[in-house]
Amino acid sequence: NAGVTQTPKFRVLKTGQSMTLLCAQDMNHEYMYWYRQDPGMGLRLIHYSVGEGTTAKGEVPDGYNVSRLKKQNFLLGLESAAPSQTSVYFCASNDRGGQETQYFGPGTRLLVL
Amino acid sequence: SQKIEQNSEALNIQEGKTATLTCNYTNYSPAYLQWYRQDPGRGPVFLLLIRENEKEKRKERLKVTFDTTLKQSLFHITASQPADSATYLCALDDGERGGSYIPTFGRGTSLIVHP
Repeated sequence: NAGVTQTPKFRVLKTGQSMTLLCAQDMNHEYMYWYRQDPGMGLRLIHYSVGEGTTAKGEVPDGYNVSRLKKQNFLLGLESAAPSQTSVYFCASNDRGGQETQYFGPGTRLLVL
Repeated sequence: SQKIEQNSEALNIQEGKTATLTCNYTNYSPAYLQWYRQDPGRGPVFLLLIRENEKEKRKERLKVTFDTTLKQSLFHITASQPADSATYLCALDDGERGGSYIPTFGRGTSLIVHP
């Protein structure tokens, strides 16, 4: 099992450009999450999904959209990137929400110029 | 507002000693609390979960306590080794949202174990 994988590993964008980050998990988990991690700020939840076809807002959803068309994939989109979105993005998944351990991907480092 | 506090200053200890990290919270009544380890450039890795009705949990050299009265969890690593150097994150549930418990993370504490 590959666990949780994220694509790409690193990306540089110019302000205003768009991109999609892909998260895939092969553990048949129901719940999937997108976090961003900034120095001194810890992990902050952007959006999450409790099952295929569902999404919900987290703590910092502005400027991001998500989709969960297939159970194993959770996509994070930036429609018009801003320098404030420079961060490391982590995807995670688990089976029954926060009462169970989360499995994290390796992260995507995004730089917006 | 809800808040999770972990010591922002790095904890420096000598190899072989016990490391103790603290996670304090306010305005939560979490049903559980989790501890994760994060190495530079990598995603967090789960270590231990403790539920509100449990006082203590152990796993090999790791021990977690959960005091809901003090609103505090302590994370201990006994016989620490330089390989234990990492950032340790606590996470607790953000309350039930439509039947789902969604975790919120603290900012983490860096542990440095010197040989």
